[in-house]
Amino acid sequence: GAVVSQHPSWVICKSGTSVKIECRSLDFQATTMFWYRQFPKQSLMLMATSNEGSKATYEQGVEKDKFLINHASLTLSTLTVTSAHPEDSSFYICSALRGTGGGSTDTQYFGPGTRLTVL
Amino acid sequence: AQSVSQHNHHVILSEAASLELGCNYSYGGTVNLFWYVQYPGQHLQLLLKYFSGDPLVKGIKGFEAEFIKSKFSFNLRKPSVQWSDTAEYFCAVNSGTYKYIFGTGTRLKVLA
Repeated sequence: GAVVSQHPSWVICKSGTSVKIECRSLDFQATTMFWYRQFPKQSLMLMATSNEGSKATYEQGVEKDKFLINHASLTLSTLTVTSAHPEDSSFYICSALRGTGGGSTDTQYFGPGTRLTVL
Repeated sequence: AQSVSQHNHHVILSEAASLELGCNYSYGGTVNLFWYVQYPGQHLQLLLKYFSGDPLVKGIKGFEAEFIKSKFSFNLRKPSVQWSDTAEYFCAVNSGTYKYIFGTGTRLKVLA
């Protein structure tokens, strides 16, 4: 159990276009999901917390107008990179929080990631 | 600010060798601790977690970790590694919230 999927697994786009990445929890409901960015040979950097039915909470330094997050249902969160530029090329990973009722003892389960390349 | 340190960035071992990967965190309050593994081309998978109770935690695939509060450490161990353990290992901590702070990761290469 606790499977999280992401789609697409990789995407190449032209500079200036927008790209949408989906994150789904397949066998559990997740009111909270997270979006991370992973640079080569570096750790995961939390970009934002996605909450079902409310606005996402962005980490300091992350442009909310550039990285649009929509948590439309208890099993789906989307990240849209708007007007993408080459510096947005990265590996984007989502996770879904699964637990018994919230709190810090809940556990994050991660998706396989999406490789974005902006030409 | 909270931080997590993984001092070993790269580790190379022969099969059957014992493994210990270090993880230290900086936070004085109650913490929850996690180890994740990322096999080549795959997603992060939870190896084990510690919330409370017995500080020696056993996880999947023969891994274990020991929480030593006085040392702010949560080191990952395995008595005998296999070639299939080649992966990147991440330590993560949270405290009071569900947001994780990740370490920079340790790349383990096991030679057959």
